[in-house]
Amino acid sequence: SAVISQKPSRDICQRGTSLTIQCQVDSQVTMMFWYRQQPGQSLTLIATANQGSEATYESGFVIDKFPISRPNLTFSTLTVSNMSPEDSSIYLCSVPGLAASTDTQYFGPGTRLTVL
Amino acid sequence: GNSVTQMEGPVTLSEEAFLTINCTYTATGYPSLFWYVQYPGEGLQLLLKATKADDKGSNKGFEATYRKETTSFHLEKGSVQVSDSAVYFCALSPYSGGYQKVTFGTGTKLQVIP
Repeated sequence: SAVISQKPSRDICQRGTSLTIQCQVDSQVTMMFWYRQQPGQSLTLIATANQGSEATYESGFVIDKFPISRPNLTFSTLTVSNMSPEDSSIYLCSVPGLAASTDTQYFGPGTRLTVL
Repeated sequence: GNSVTQMEGPVTLSEEAFLTINCTYTATGYPSLFWYVQYPGEGLQLLLKATKADDKGSNKGFEATYRKETTSFHLEKGSVQVSDSAVYFCALSPYSGGYQKVTFGTGTKLQVIP
């Protein structure tokens, strides 16, 4: 399985500001995913980020609020823009497994965001 | 559409008790089924998976059997430890032949007391 790191691990931000979250994978992967986990809730997929193309956003998420970059096959960023307290969540990136395990998701440790 | 329903928590057990966390699913075809675990302050980790009917996934003393007739994938452990305290998520992927969007259950928080 891939080893995935995220930065920052946590942050406390003021409303109206933006935060960029980084996700680094130790192997080259075509697809990377960004999820949001609101307090006490399950995971919600924000978008799928493919290298070399625009990210694909899920219903309820828009590029202006959550711009994503995918400059190469091992790295992606998610920006949470113009934050409000409702954006307080854990943000997780993930990648699918290789070969016969492409149905399996492997997750980073998450970024815990608190917006005041 | 696909959906996963798991028992609500929190579940509180004494150490060495038997654990069952129920999970049922709705999906067409033959999805892959998963249990993920999230320890306090950490991301999700794959606990076990099963890709076809009657398969049993197992890891760290946890087991779950893919039951297509009852569309279930219940998680069991014979003797829980304090270190098993975490949130457990049941999930499905529509089929095992390549990536498809994963559907997660709402999570069940387990607390094991000494």
